[in-house]
Amino acid sequence: DAGITQSPRYKITETGRQVTLMCHQTWSHSYMFWYRQDLGHGLRLIYYSAAADITDKGEVPDGYVVSRSKTENFPLTLESATRSQTSVYFCASRAGGRYNEQFFGPGTRLTVL
Amino acid sequence: RKEVEQDPGPFNVPEGATVAFNCTYSNSASQSFFWYRQDCRKEPKLLMSVYSSGNEDGRFTAQLNRASQYISLLIRDSKLSDSATYLCSRDQGGKLIFGQGTELSVKP
Repeated sequence: DAGITQSPRYKITETGRQVTLMCHQTWSHSYMFWYRQDLGHGLRLIYYSAAADITDKGEVPDGYVVSRSKTENFPLTLESATRSQTSVYFCASRAGGRYNEQFFGPGTRLTVL
Repeated sequence: RKEVEQDPGPFNVPEGATVAFNCTYSNSASQSFFWYRQDCRKEPKLLMSVYSSGNEDGRFTAQLNRASQYISLLIRDSKLSDSATYLCSRDQGGKLIFGQGTELSVKP
């Protein structure tokens, strides 16, 4: 199916474990983004990528690692999960150009115990 | 000052009412703005794009005031189904900067 997908949709893990959240888009959009959303904070940008092999930090990058070896995939890794990383994570993609719209994936609800 | 500021609400309005949200931004260089709707922490979905002075789509009207650096969203004839959180955002070098959202609750 065309669009943007995330997996897993729900994840429970323990403090200290490594977790990878997957994001896949079929539009060949150049830009991809990872946000986290917590009550009282709105959407906060973690990392983004303007193209394959190009990534940049957002507002809250600490504790996260990203890679983008292929245009369509943008995995987000929590190297050693902490309770403060319990959140809803949204991936998004956007074609290049300031007038283009951004589309979000369905989100991953992550709980770190 | 936050880059994009919104009144968090909640705005509680009766069905049929007209309601307006404002969103102020701090970077005058932004060329494009977007309103998103988000239901119960599901993914945000694009509602309207605003590139020039404004945009209209049915009951929804977005206005852009570059001099005062704000955009507004007007919803006419509110429906129960309009209850959601409305996020405004502006383009910054390819990425979107979001406000915290304004919660709208439409009551019967």
